[in-house]
Amino acid sequence: EAGVTQSPTHLIKTRGQQATLRCSPISGHTSVYWYQQALGLGLQFLLWYDEGEERNRGNFPPRFSGRQFPNYSSELNVNALELEDSALYLCASSFRDAGGYGYTFGSGTRLTVV
Amino acid sequence: DQQVKQNSPSLSVQEGRISILNCDYTNSMFDYFLWYKKYPAEGPTFLISISSIKDKNEDGRFTVFLNKSAKHLSLHIVPSQPGDSAVYFCAANPGSQGNLIFGKGTKLSVKP
Repeated sequence: EAGVTQSPTHLIKTRGQQATLRCSPISGHTSVYWYQQALGLGLQFLLWYDEGEERNRGNFPPRFSGRQFPNYSSELNVNALELEDSALYLCASSFRDAGGYGYTFGSGTRLTVV
Repeated sequence: DQQVKQNSPSLSVQEGRISILNCDYTNSMFDYFLWYKKYPAEGPTFLISISSIKDKNEDGRFTVFLNKSAKHLSLHIVPSQPGDSAVYFCAANPGSQGNLIFGKGTKLSVKP
């Protein structure tokens, strides 16, 4: 069984540009979660999607957005990139309402803003 | 305002000895706690969890203890092995919000 896959692995963007990160969940999982791991800050919750709807979002500005497609894959968009957006972006998937018990993480996308 | 705190950024332990990783939380409404392990260039993987109705959960070499009155939990690894060297994250489930709240992590180094 394939795990959670994220692409690209690495992404380098210039300040002010837009970045698009992609995530394919484990087959059968309907929920996708996005987390940011910036240096020294641990994992910060960004967004939760389930059944194509945004269910919850963390304390991030609106330029962080995303969507979930009918096949449950998801993309995270970061507009107007700032230097402090440089971080590892992790995607996780689970069955609905797993409450974190059934989280499976991908390996992440390393975004560098220069 | 950090709701889940791991105050030790790093811990170094000799192989065969006990590793104790600590975690504190601020919200007494948290009902489920989890530990994740993360190797470099990989995503975090689930290690062990505990419900707030218990005070101990054991899985092989890993035991998690929960002290609700102190809002404190700890992960014990006995005996520690070099392959346990990783970053360990403590996380709390705040309920029906879907997301987990993570601490900043503790980097464990097990020396042969």
